[in-house]
Amino acid sequence: DAMVIQNPRYQVTQFGKPVTLSCSQTLNHNVMYWYQQKSSQAPKLLFHYYDKDFNNEADTPDNFQSRRPNTSFCFLDIRSPGLGDAAMYLCATRAAPYSNQPQHFGDGTRLSIL
Amino acid sequence: AQKVTQAQTEISVVEKEDVTLDCVYETRDTTYYLFWYKQPPSGELVFLIRRNSFDEQNEISGRYSWNFQKSTSSFNFTITASQVVDSAVYFCALSGGNAGGTSYGKLTFGQGTILTVHP
Repeated sequence: DAMVIQNPRYQVTQFGKPVTLSCSQTLNHNVMYWYQQKSSQAPKLLFHYYDKDFNNEADTPDNFQSRRPNTSFCFLDIRSPGLGDAAMYLCATRAAPYSNQPQHFGDGTRLSIL
Repeated sequence: AQKVTQAQTEISVVEKEDVTLDCVYETRDTTYYLFWYKQPPSGELVFLIRRNSFDEQNEISGRYSWNFQKSTSSFNFTITASQVVDSAVYFCALSGGNAGGTSYGKLTFGQGTILTVHP
């Protein structure tokens, strides 16, 4: 089945140690998004790509970077994770940005910082 | 700017009761799209229903129904004959439909409503 796959499901890293989260999709969607969701909160958009056109939200910390080497893959890099970066990270795709098509989400990666 | 408000933080019902989740939104876009997502304890966000701003016809899909009223900027969601498996966090979300800028149709979420269905 076409889907959005996030690896790993759970990630533990040490304070300050760089970590990369990955997302792949078989939907061939043009748009990909990364959200951060902290406990008992709504998902918060960090970045999005429309093809290779990258946009980050104004309040996304500089500590967070993203790469999209091709249509299928997108990565979230956290250069120096702090305790406040512990959260669920959700990747989503969408066929077209301005349409009634829903965003399709992966299962998420739950990041813990020691 | 877009804003979605879900006034109900938590709802608790007994199985087989009907339950309605409220959602109110704000947007300046003339075309926009509304969605409801479900997030079970396992964490994934599951798409449930959607509505275009230019289509106010209300629909029923199985046990789900929704009431979209543009005049009051509301998009309420009802689960009929609730089941224990419906227990989850439910998010209402809004996406702009006017092309341009760099929003790329990002979703603005409400704060979520925790639904607990007791057997």
